[in-house]
Amino acid sequence: DARVTQTPRHKVTEMGQEVTMRCQPILGHNTVFWYRQTMMQGLELLAYFRNRAPLDDSGMPKDRFSAEMPDATLATLKIQPSEPRDSAVYFCASGSQAGVWGNEQFFGPGTRLTVL
Amino acid sequence: RKEVEQDPGPFNVPEGATVAFNCTYSNSASQSFFWYRQDCRKEPKLLMSVYSSGNEDGRFTAQLNRASQYISLLIRDSKLSDSATYLCVVRGSSNTGKLIFGQGTTLQVKP
Repeated sequence: DARVTQTPRHKVTEMGQEVTMRCQPILGHNTVFWYRQTMMQGLELLAYFRNRAPLDDSGMPKDRFSAEMPDATLATLKIQPSEPRDSAVYFCASGSQAGVWGNEQFFGPGTRLTVL
Repeated sequence: RKEVEQDPGPFNVPEGATVAFNCTYSNSASQSFFWYRQDCRKEPKLLMSVYSSGNEDGRFTAQLNRASQYISLLIRDSKLSDSATYLCVVRGSSNTGKLIFGQGTTLQVKP
């Protein structure tokens, strides 16, 4: 049963610390998305990759957030330095391209981040 | 104004009831439409795509009205297991293509 995996599942850290979240997309999927979900804003797209190349990161605060895909099996989202307002659930999703954006996106279980 | 708007609810209905959710979107160039389901503290999962002619999947019926920029989801004979948040999702024009998620509508089915 192929699925997207994310680590860690939970992270509690102090303001100013670096946070790295990891995602393993479903094997064979060539699009990867990072979302953030909060009660106030709902699900927001932060960044997305196609064939490991970043295509859109307009939703991501550039000063502290960075997203990379070192290889086809790993996507990372880094926050440095973290702030309390970054507390949220961060979801990674992957899909296979059919057109620019593909069809169904399969979500990982999320990383629940709390910044104190 | 949000790009995709939904009534957050909650909708509290008894088992067996029929319930309908509505969603409006602001970008008339939007090309694809979906309903995702999200259980409490879980990830969103695709429930169904929404086609121009309307489509049905078992107890679920989705409708699209492009002229009014309106999408609906109808659940018939609701089950306890239908309790979840239902997210209306719109894919933009081919130039942007982003998936835009609504805030979600919460459904609670009571015995």
